[in-house]
Amino acid sequence: KAGVTQTPRYLIKTRGQQVTLSCSPISGHRSVSWYQQTPGQGLQFLFEYFSETQRNKGNFPGRFSGRQFSNSRSEMNVSTLELGDSALYLCASRGTGGTLTDTQYFGPGTRLTVL
Amino acid sequence: GESVGLHLPTLSVQEGDNSIINCAYSNSASDYFIWYKQESGKGPQFIIDIRSNMDKRQGQRVTVLLNKTVKHLSLQIAATQPGDSAVYFCAEVSNKLTFGTGTQLKVEL
Repeated sequence: KAGVTQTPRYLIKTRGQQVTLSCSPISGHRSVSWYQQTPGQGLQFLFEYFSETQRNKGNFPGRFSGRQFSNSRSEMNVSTLELGDSALYLCASRGTGGTLTDTQYFGPGTRLTVL
Repeated sequence: GESVGLHLPTLSVQEGDNSIINCAYSNSASDYFIWYKQESGKGPQFIIDIRSNMDKRQGQRVTVLLNKTVKHLSLQIAATQPGDSAVYFCAEVSNKLTFGTGTQLKVEL
């Protein structure tokens, strides 16, 4: 069974631009969560989608948004990029039950650099 | 508020020795805890989990201990190998995963 895949793996943008990252969960998984990882803040939860609905959200500004499609693939969008948005963005999918105690599997991440 | 913190940012051990990585949490309502391992250039990988109704759980070469009285979690790795070199995160689960800051484990030959 294929793991969680994320595209692109690396991305360079400039301030003020917007970016869309993509995540394909493990087949059969309906829950997809997004995290931001930086050296200073560590791993921080952005949001979680389950069956195309956002069911949990972290403390990030509205510039960060996401969506999930009927095939469970998810995208996250960051508008009006700031230098501080440079980070590794991780996507994780959860078992078919989608409960919090189901093991969460992470993708390799997308490294975003904002210049 | 919720916070999960690690006592030591870096831990160096000799190959073959046992490693102990510690973690403190503040949300006494959390009922599920997970340890993840993250190697360079990869996403976090699940190692072992434990529910709050347990105080110990063992896996292959790893043991997690949970002390709810002092809100402390530890990960023990037996016979540490070079392949164990990575950053280790603890995470507590309430309505979402809250990760600790991570401990860098370095295995010296």
